[in-house]
Amino acid sequence: AQSVTQPDIHITVSEGASLELRCNYSYGATPYLFWYVQSPGQGLQLLLKYFSGDTLVQGIKGFEAEFKRSQSSFNLRKPSVHWSDAAEYFCAVGARGTYKYIFGTGTRLKVLA
Amino acid sequence: KAGVTQTPRYLIKTRGQQVTLSCSPISGHRSVSWYQQTPGQGLQFLFEYFSETQRNKGNFPGRFSGRQFSNSRSEMNVSTLELGDSALYLCASSVTGGDNQPQHFGDGTRLSIL
Repeated sequence: AQSVTQPDIHITVSEGASLELRCNYSYGATPYLFWYVQSPGQGLQLLLKYFSGDTLVQGIKGFEAEFKRSQSSFNLRKPSVHWSDAAEYFCAVGARGTYKYIFGTGTRLKVLA
Repeated sequence: KAGVTQTPRYLIKTRGQQVTLSCSPISGHRSVSWYQQTPGQGLQFLFEYFSETQRNKGNFPGRFSGRQFSNSRSEMNVSTLELGDSALYLCASSVTGGDNQPQHFGDGTRLSIL
């Protein structure tokens, strides 16, 4: 069955520290992969996407993610976190031919000043 | 360009009632998807519409239904509300709904069941 796993429910980092949010997927073929961010009381905003090609993709707000086929992972990274990055982050898979996206359960990021 | 608009933002209902939520997609977007978001469950896919046709449906009971109009606006209806239906309902739109298209989300409708 297709699934997306975000093993960390909560993560706390200090401002200026580096960040890595984990995402693992289960899918029969190379999926379309996305990372979204949700601030309190708002909808989701796309950070970046991976379809094919270069496995390191750059997104908005200084985020990047690396696709690793051998590990079925698509981890999100940022070299230096800002207090405004505190939010909930969702990894998603576009299941080919289904018009359906499968989301992970999210990772809530807290940033300490 | 206006974003995805969901109305109302907040709703309070009691068990047994029914509710209708509305979603206006970005102009030019013809695909609309609905999700239920609850703490710990993440986003659960409800259904997707394109050109007034439902193309996919998630694992929700028949009390959850939707439709799409010719102008791509969509509505979602929940009948015989239960306490467990309390959630944030998110609508997302994309141009044609292909699974390689990023979805643009509205801010959601917060539904509370008393």
